[in-house]
Amino acid sequence: GQNIDQPTEMTATEGAIVQINCTYQTSGFNGLFWYQQHAGEAPTFLSYNVLDGLEEKGRFSSFLSRSKGYSYLLLKELQMKDSASYLCAGLDSNYQLIWGAGTKLIIKP
Amino acid sequence: DAEITQSPRHKITETGRQVTLACHQTWNHNNMFWYRQDLGHGLRLIHYSYGVQDTNKGEVSDGYSVSRSNTEDLPLTLESAASSQTSVYFCASSESAESNTEAFFGQGTRLTVV
Repeated sequence: GQNIDQPTEMTATEGAIVQINCTYQTSGFNGLFWYQQHAGEAPTFLSYNVLDGLEEKGRFSSFLSRSKGYSYLLLKELQMKDSASYLCAGLDSNYQLIWGAGTKLIIKP
Repeated sequence: DAEITQSPRHKITETGRQVTLACHQTWNHNNMFWYRQDLGHGLRLIHYSYGVQDTNKGEVSDGYSVSRSNTEDLPLTLESAASSQTSVYFCASSESAESNTEAFFGQGTRLTVV
């Protein structure tokens, strides 16, 4: 079956760095997405990886290892506004998104 | 600016009633999706469409239907609302079928079935 696993909740300190991991099993693979979702709001796109390696976009970076079925989202210089849920989603061979349950990130001052 | 809007934002209905949730996008996207989001679960796909007159079932389609008569709209109908359908519903759109393009989400509809 298809499955996306990510931790349910993480806590970090303002100004620090946090890494949110995601492991995936999909039928075929056409890439991996990360979305951010603030409480009560819609998910918004953060990143897309289809090749191995690190993609950097400002304070946020996303890494992919296709051989390990593994990705992570790295958030640097954490700000209080980064408190949100982070959703990992794999794109399968039919171009369908398979979603993880999300990681709730709590930022403490 | 292009956008995707859902209405209503909140809805309370009684068991057994038919309910329709609206989704309208001005991105001119071919793909449109309906998801439900429940605590402890990822977004689960209900129905999706890759263009006008095209509709497909997702993993949790029982009790729901959609129709696509134009590019902009994909209304979701609950034929006979059940308490298990209490959830937050998100509509999304993306550019094309075989694509890695990002999906844009509406603000969600919180539906309570009593």
